[in-house]
Parts: sequence; structure tokens; C-alpha cells
Amino acid sequence: QVQLQESGPGLVKPSETLALTCTVSGGSMSGHYWSWIRQTPGKRLEWFGNIYYSGITNYNPSLKSRVTMSVDMSKKQFSLKLTSVTAADTAVYYCARYSGYALDFWGQGTLVTVSS
Amino acid sequence: DIQMTQSPSSLPASVGDRVTITCRASQDIANSLAWYQQKPGKAPKLLVYVASRLEVGVPSRFAGSRSGTNYILTISSLQPEDFATYYCQHTYTPPYSFGQGTRLEMK
Repeated sequence: QVQLQESGPGLVKPSETLALTCTVSGGSMSGHYWSWIRQTPGKRLEWFGNIYYSGITNYNPSLKSRVTMSVDMSKKQFSLKLTSVTAADTAVYYCARYSGYALDFWGQGTLVTVSS
Repeated sequence: DIQMTQSPSSLPASVGDRVTITCRASQDIANSLAWYQQKPGKAPKLLVYVASRLEVGVPSRFAGSRSGTNYILTISSLQPEDFATYYCQHTYTPPYSFGQGTRLEMK
């Protein structure tokens, strides 16, 4: 059973960079896409993008200028960086595996608050 | 970008009821539609993908279908554990947007 676990700071200052890592266990990263999603305090879900195990990315155009995703196969991790954060970036951030059809395995989520 | 309009936003229901939730896509998404269930404090859980394929382990009272650009999630006989929030998501072409969610609540 594939398991994912997000990690990173729970508090980020405005204008700084949010950085999260997702560690994959119980399965291989090869051959799969890996995704980041966030859920706002109002419960809206927003798709950030996918990264293929080879490093190819697809970003949401609404966030593209601020988002970078990367993958480290040796550590079985993939990462998200979001620059120039504001209070509007306060959310629960999830990592997930994209099967090619849907997000079939999810991490438990991590709350990130943007505040000075 | 493809917009997903989900309705209703809330749905009062009772155990044993048959309920339907609808997602309308702003353009053809060729059955590239998934449904998720989310309970408070938990991550969403995949129920249905490619419009009508049930994820392994999901009870058969859940069913996905399509009518034109409308995608429908049906729960045939509501169980106590089904009270949750349900989301649709298209995976036709990025960005893979979600519906606004439907909160299924006890009547």
C-alpha cells in the first residue's frame, strides 16, 4: 500500500517561500506522476500540478510563476516550492499520486499558515 | 481552463435514501472525471475514476455515470458512514480543477 507523508514548516512569513516535501513509502515512484493539491479554509480544492518521476512537470497556470516542483528518486521524495506567499496561500497542503486517471493515494495533509 | 460546476452544495438526506450529486463540465472532458469523498480532518479518498469505474474497495452502492456534459455520483442506499463532503475533479487536460464540493448531511 502506497503511503505519502508531507513535511515542512507550518508557519511561513508573508513574501517568503513555502517549501514542502512529500515522502513516498510502500511503492515505487517510477512510472508515476506525483501531485500537489491544497485546500483553502473555505474547503475549496486547488490542483497545483504534477511532476513525473523523470522530472517533467505540469503546473497550474494560475500559480505557474510562483511554483517549482522537483523529485528526488534516491530519497523517494518530491517537493513543492511556492514563492512570494501571502495570507491567501494559507491552506492544508496535500501530496498525492496521480494514476493517469485520478489521485489514488493521498498524504494526510499539512496545514501551512502564512502570517508574520 | 475547464470549469467544474457541482450541485447541490449541500444535501440533507437520511439513512437508506438514494442520493445523486452532479458535476457539469464547461466543455467535453471525455469521461475524464473522478469523484472523491472527504471526511472532516482527513484527506479526500478516491471513489470513482473515468466517470464510472469504482476504485478497489469502494462499496457497490456508489456508482458514477454520465449524461452529456453532466457527470453524476449516485449512492443507492445511504449508510451512516457516507455522510461526508464529495468532490468531483476532471483530469482531461491540465489544470485538473475540482468542483466546489457537496456536503451530504443528516436530515
